[in-house]
Amino acid sequence: DTAVSQTPKYLVTQMGNDKSIKCEQNLGHDTMYWYKQDSKKFLKIMFSYNNKELIINETVPNRFSPKSPDKAHLNLHINSLELGDSAVYFCASSQLGPGANVLTFGAGSRLTVL
Amino acid sequence: RKEVEQDPGPFNVPEGATVAFNCTYSNSASQSFFWYRQDCRKEPKLLMSVYSSGNEDGRFTAQLNRASQYISLLIRDSKLSDSATYLCVVIFFGNEKLTFGTGTRLTIIP
Repeated sequence: DTAVSQTPKYLVTQMGNDKSIKCEQNLGHDTMYWYKQDSKKFLKIMFSYNNKELIINETVPNRFSPKSPDKAHLNLHINSLELGDSAVYFCASSQLGPGANVLTFGAGSRLTVL
Repeated sequence: RKEVEQDPGPFNVPEGATVAFNCTYSNSASQSFFWYRQDCRKEPKLLMSVYSSGNEDGRFTAQLNRASQYISLLIRDSKLSDSATYLCVVIFFGNEKLTFGTGTRLTIIP
């Protein structure tokens, strides 16, 4: 069983479109995250939710909106996609909160904006 | 200056050799340190935590130097399967999020 699963794995879309990436974890973790890894491989946190409550919100454009319907799910919706949004988006979860050392990552969703 | 810096490499090392790389951090009030490993087109996975006294896990040794603000990773008897990008991760006091370095790419050559 996949611990952290995210869909879709690949997403190719045109500039200006709206798209969503879904994430689910079956580890029973309380905290979930979205990370963005750009073409230079720099991994940067975007958002973190603890038990459905937003606790970390980095400087991310308003076009990005996370939603956590329950603690096992954290989805990411992106409006008006731009070329610079092309990246790999990783969902992750942890048990003890943002200071926990073990993040379990999903396999990543590779977004390409044309 | 970046909060967490690593030499991006690539480090091309013959199989069986020992390789070491460092990671420097800018904030002296840093709390916890880790090494993650990321294979090509895969997700990062925890390799090992870094403790103040240094720690070892098989062929891997991690060390922390608080005075000089860096952590290191040493890999002995390197294997082809060690080829990956190694990410340094730091948690700063008062800022509970994990901050990743840009990673050091390692390729083990047969």
